[in-house]
Amino acid sequence: KNQVEQSPQSLIILEGKNCTLQCNYTVSPFSNLRWYKQDTGRGPVSLTIMTFSENTKSNGRYTATLDADTKQSSLHITASQLSDSASYICVSKGGGSQGNLIFGKGTKLSVKP
Amino acid sequence: ETGVTQTPRHLVMGMTNKKSLKCEQHLGHNAMYWYKQSAKKPLELMFVYNFKEQTENNSVPSRFSPECPNSSHLFLHLHTLQPEDSALYLCASSLEVHAYNEQFFGPGTRLTVL
Repeated sequence: KNQVEQSPQSLIILEGKNCTLQCNYTVSPFSNLRWYKQDTGRGPVSLTIMTFSENTKSNGRYTATLDADTKQSSLHITASQLSDSASYICVSKGGGSQGNLIFGKGTKLSVKP
Repeated sequence: ETGVTQTPRHLVMGMTNKKSLKCEQHLGHNAMYWYKQSAKKPLELMFVYNFKEQTENNSVPSRFSPECPNSSHLFLHLHTLQPEDSALYLCASSLEVHAYNEQFFGPGTRLTVL
């Protein structure tokens, strides 16, 4: 069964600290994996996308990694800011029709001053 | 903003009411989507439209009725909803119906069914 599992479910860190969010996927065949950021009261916004051949991709203070062998991805946030408080959603393409994506439940990150 | 707008942002309705959600995208995309987002659950894809034609309906109850008059507009007509239908309803669009294409999401409509 195609699934995307994210951990932790929620996380609280102090401003300026780093953190890493995890995503494990059991999706086959695998096409790509995308990380979204969803601010409270807003829709998700794409941070990064990685295909099978990509191991690392950065977007400012956000760095995503992908290990296609272990089917794991991580999102590392460096020098966190209050504006990083949001839900982070991992999404992978599953088998089936085009446009059918498998979403994780998300990790809710709170950055405290 | 993402270029995808949704109205209303908040909606409270009774189980016997009929209401509609509206989505508009200003990105020139050809594909549009409706998602349901419930607390502590993954986003659930409801409907997919490609060039105004519905290409996917993920076993959504008939009390949800989508309409796509053109590639820029998408509606979700609601009638005789249940309290468990209370959720955030997100509209998204992408250049094409292809999983590699980034989907751009609207801010959502927070729906409460009493």
